[in-house]
Amino acid sequence: AQSVTQLGSHVSVSEGALVLLRCNYSSSVPPYLFWYVQYPNQGLQLLLKYTSAATLVKGINGFEAEFKKSETSFHLTKPSAHMSDAAEYFCAVSDLTNFGNEKLTFGTGTRLTIIP
Amino acid sequence: DAGITQSPRYKITETGRQVTLMCHQTWSHSYMFWYRQDLGHGLRLIYYSAAADITDKGEVPDGYVVSRSKTENFPLTLESATRSQTSVYFCASRPGQGENTEAFFGQGTRLTVV
Repeated sequence: AQSVTQLGSHVSVSEGALVLLRCNYSSSVPPYLFWYVQYPNQGLQLLLKYTSAATLVKGINGFEAEFKKSETSFHLTKPSAHMSDAAEYFCAVSDLTNFGNEKLTFGTGTRLTIIP
Repeated sequence: DAGITQSPRYKITETGRQVTLMCHQTWSHSYMFWYRQDLGHGLRLIYYSAAADITDKGEVPDGYVVSRSKTENFPLTLESATRSQTSVYFCASRPGQGENTEAFFGQGTRLTVV
């Protein structure tokens, strides 16, 4: 089964600084990868998803992620943090089951705090 | 209203009681999922369903039962609630498989077992 590892359960950055949230996947073949964001007391919302068409993926709210096969990584970045970016971020991988169906497996999440 | 809705939003129950969490989606998505969210564990998959009458276990299925007689509904039942099942439960749906399909999440149900 595929999995994702998110390094750092908490990340703090100053407003206007670079945001970097790390995600590494375990897979011998290119997987389907996603980043989701969860605002307080809400469900998860898709930020961006990896398609095989491009290794640099742009998402909503100025976020982007780069798929690096050699590093098995899919790190999330944003050039300039905004106070509204404070939330929890989840990396996820799509995994095929023995029945040929797909299921999403999530990382443990990274809570992003923005310092004014 | 279109979307995916969970009910109730909050529930307190006693140890040993049966409780059912409801999930309803209006898109006719094929896939539906139940996750639980716990501090330090992120989201863990409990059960999922690829279509009506097709369900499969996820990572943490013990103590839970699901059914899917209709495409739009995917209830999760705790047969005999335990304190370790205190958690926030999220239901999700997606139209199909592959890189271009997105999962949509409900607002969650916060369950407390006392």
